[in-house]
Amino acid sequence: DAKTTQPPSMDCAEGRAANLPCNHSTISGNEYVYWYRQIHSQGPQYIIHGLKNNETNEMASLIITEDRKSSTLILPHATLRDTAVYYCIVRVPGNTGKLIFGQGTTLQVKP
Amino acid sequence: DAGVIQSPRHEVTEMGQEVTLRCKPISGHDYLFWYRQTMMRGLELLIYFNNNVPIDDSGMPEDRFSAKMPNASFSTLKIQPSEPRDSAVYFCASSLRVANEQFFGPGTRLTVL
Repeated sequence: DAKTTQPPSMDCAEGRAANLPCNHSTISGNEYVYWYRQIHSQGPQYIIHGLKNNETNEMASLIITEDRKSSTLILPHATLRDTAVYYCIVRVPGNTGKLIFGQGTTLQVKP
Repeated sequence: DAGVIQSPRHEVTEMGQEVTLRCKPISGHDYLFWYRQTMMRGLELLIYFNNNVPIDDSGMPEDRFSAKMPNASFSTLKIQPSEPRDSAVYFCASSLRVANEQFFGPGTRLTVL
């Protein structure tokens, strides 16, 4: 699975959009981009995943660049409850169950 | 559904003692995963099962660790003998299929004195 690079920390004002970047320049054509988050003292929580098209669900939007070397997770209206560590993971679904978690980005939403 | 259930939530034991962590996956999920999280190493996969059969145990640190899944609704992770460096939060997760999202339990915080 390709390696990902994320900034270690970010701040966001409550009610504003939070844009979390992820670089995955060695991604292969059949690898998906997954996002999970971990709120303090809880287990990780799935957010969204995509291959090359932009994806949106009730939690967030995922924007993947045309060359697929980077992506951005967007939380449209961040709340204090969105304060968490966000993990960007690249994997081939169906190949293995492994999720390889990096260090992630600690998002602090401030009032 | 109650989600993935883990017990105990907290465990404090002394070095050399046997520790057993328990997990009940979400009903109907075919895959079960055990992860360990520490400050130094982050979140790492230890082992995972498909239909109660261990598929990949390459993350199990050493022979002191063993995991079983006797049926579709129960799994255990055992450490014998335990050591202080085993202190961590252990998460169990399950998924419907290998490609699907993984649902994590609340974790067991293990402290080995």
